[in-house]
Amino acid sequence: GQQLNQSPQSMFIQEGEDVSMNCTSSSIFNTWLWYKQDPGEGPVLLIALYKAGELTSNGRLTAQFGITRKDSFLNISASIPSDVGIYFCAGPRNQFYFGTGTSLTVIP
Amino acid sequence: GAGVSQSPSNKVTEKGKDVELRCDPISGHTALYWYRQSLGQGLEFLIYFQGNSAPDKSGLPSDRFSAERTGGSVSTLTIQRTQQEDSAVYLCASSRVNAGELFFGEGSRLTVL
Repeated sequence: GQQLNQSPQSMFIQEGEDVSMNCTSSSIFNTWLWYKQDPGEGPVLLIALYKAGELTSNGRLTAQFGITRKDSFLNISASIPSDVGIYFCAGPRNQFYFGTGTSLTVIP
Repeated sequence: GAGVSQSPSNKVTEKGKDVELRCDPISGHTALYWYRQSLGQGLEFLIYFQGNSAPDKSGLPSDRFSAERTGGSVSTLTIQRTQQEDSAVYLCASSRVNAGELFFGEGSRLTVL
């Protein structure tokens, strides 16, 4: 099936640092989605991107839709402890394909 | 309802028993998805519905797994003769159209003893 490659797999950072993660695909997507999952809960949509080259912010989060439509990245600025969780990218084509996730740990 | 609702939130069952997991999508959402997530793992696609039909059942792990959706709303995922490897969180999600934004429920945690 469709593979979304997400990196890094895990990150351990100090509170206040910026974070960057990305997602690549061998196929084109017309929409890119970024989700965060807290332990014991379902994933929550953070940002949706609909146009190649689009750069969208949501508070301290910024995501970009790659110009080739085969990649996307998510940045988190000035990380805080509640940013801890697993971040997933996703792209829809008939069904929704998800990346393998990036586990973020923020050290106070 | 306001969000995707799943029940039960937790289910403990004995190996060999059948279980039913329920999903109530966001009102007006025509597409409904089931995913499975094992501990510390990513999301494994199981099946999706567009209305009451299931165009893609390719992710169902075996013939012990089945799902149905009635009235274009509630969906039930049934696992027959449960095995220990079925233990996981089963997540349901819905979207307005099958290429839009996807919204998840809290999941049903299944433990097979």
